[in-house]
Amino acid sequence: RKEVEQDPGPFNVPEGATVAFNCTYSNSASQSFFWYRQDCRKEPKLLMSVYSSGNEDGRFTAQLNRASQYISLLIRDSKLSDSATYLCVVKRNTGGFKTIFGAGTRLFVKA
Amino acid sequence: GAVVSQHPSRVICKSGTSVKIECRSLDFQATTMFWYRQFPKKSLMLMATSNEGSKATYEQGVEKDKFLINHASLTLSTLTVTSAHPEDSSFYICSADGTPLQETQYFGPGTRLLVL
Repeated sequence: RKEVEQDPGPFNVPEGATVAFNCTYSNSASQSFFWYRQDCRKEPKLLMSVYSSGNEDGRFTAQLNRASQYISLLIRDSKLSDSATYLCVVKRNTGGFKTIFGAGTRLFVKA
Repeated sequence: GAVVSQHPSRVICKSGTSVKIECRSLDFQATTMFWYRQFPKKSLMLMATSNEGSKATYEQGVEKDKFLINHASLTLSTLTVTSAHPEDSSFYICSADGTPLQETQYFGPGTRLLVL
């Protein structure tokens, strides 16, 4: 089992749709949580950090449930430009600092 | 904001040659840099953690004699793929943390390596 698991995707949605991505992590020592976005043939870029209290940035809402070791990302009113791969990322400090990436979920938003 | 650069952005080489990739933090000092490899449609896989002034820490399965890492200064880490083979063709990305567990991990733009 992978340490960070995500919905396999791809998600194909029409413009304006709401889409939710899920992610689970297995190491309870994980300390920091993020969603990154990666466009084709580009480096990942930070979309938002994830906190237990939940955080929102415009159309994007992220949530962390430490008890369930579950992370979510909600995108409302999808735009064509939201098409990308969304990476769930976890950081921990066990035997050295490490950043663990999920395999990513591909999103295609269509007109 | 902080920026990490990589050079070259893409390289094509013959099998058996060595390729050096540079990763620089442009406006902050990076005590730790990370090297990742990503195959098409796959996740980023951490290859090694590069620590300034000390030996790199390699992930299981990554050959340290094949992927030489040097972190000689607080702003530069290099990855050398020695005796490259076609199976080494991949997207190599570096990232830098100014401090451990820093909220934002800054990624370089990546280097696309094609070994013929």
